[in-house]
Amino acid sequence: KAGVTQTPRYLIKTRGQQVTLSCSPISGHRSVSWYQQTPGQGLQFLFEYFSETQRNKGNFPGRFSGRQFSNSRSEMNVSTLELGDSALYLCASSQTVTGELFFGEGSRLTVL
Amino acid sequence: QKEVEQDPGPLSVPEGAIVSLNCTYSNSAFQYFMWYRQYSRKGPELLMYTYSSGNKEDGRFTAQVDKSSKYISLFIRDSQPSDSATYLCAMRGTDSGSARQLTFGSGTQLTVLP
Repeated sequence: KAGVTQTPRYLIKTRGQQVTLSCSPISGHRSVSWYQQTPGQGLQFLFEYFSETQRNKGNFPGRFSGRQFSNSRSEMNVSTLELGDSALYLCASSQTVTGELFFGEGSRLTVL
Repeated sequence: QKEVEQDPGPLSVPEGAIVSLNCTYSNSAFQYFMWYRQYSRKGPELLMYTYSSGNKEDGRFTAQVDKSSKYISLFIRDSQPSDSATYLCAMRGTDSGSARQLTFGSGTQLTVLP
């Protein structure tokens, strides 16, 4: 069974630009969560989607948004990029809203 | 002060040693406790999952939770070079509405020397 797939794996943007990251969950998984990982703050929860609905949101500014499609694939968007947005963005899927989280390898964003 | 504190290391041990990794936390609402392993340039993978206090063993790994002290541990017996990775503790409360919102420690970088 294929794991969680995230694209792109690496990308470089400049301040003020916007970026869209994509996540394909494990087949049959309907819950998708996003986390930001930085050396200073560690892993921090961004938001969770289940059946195309955002169930929960972490403490991030409105520049961070996401959505989930009917096939459970998810995207997250960051607008007006800042240097501090440089991070590894991890997507995780689970079969249920309380089941084990399976993480992808992440999308590493560098903002110059 | 962070809700979850974890010594970042780095920690180097010889092959075959017993490794002890620890986290402390301040939020008494945390009831579910997890340990993840993250290899370089990979996403975290779940190693151990425990509910409330007690011990849980899985092969060479043992997880302990002491809620009275707000302290959790992961022990690795007979450590191998393939165990070299960053180990992250994570925890959450009982609210199913926020079950995906884990609070992570900062991670301990472990190197097992052959």
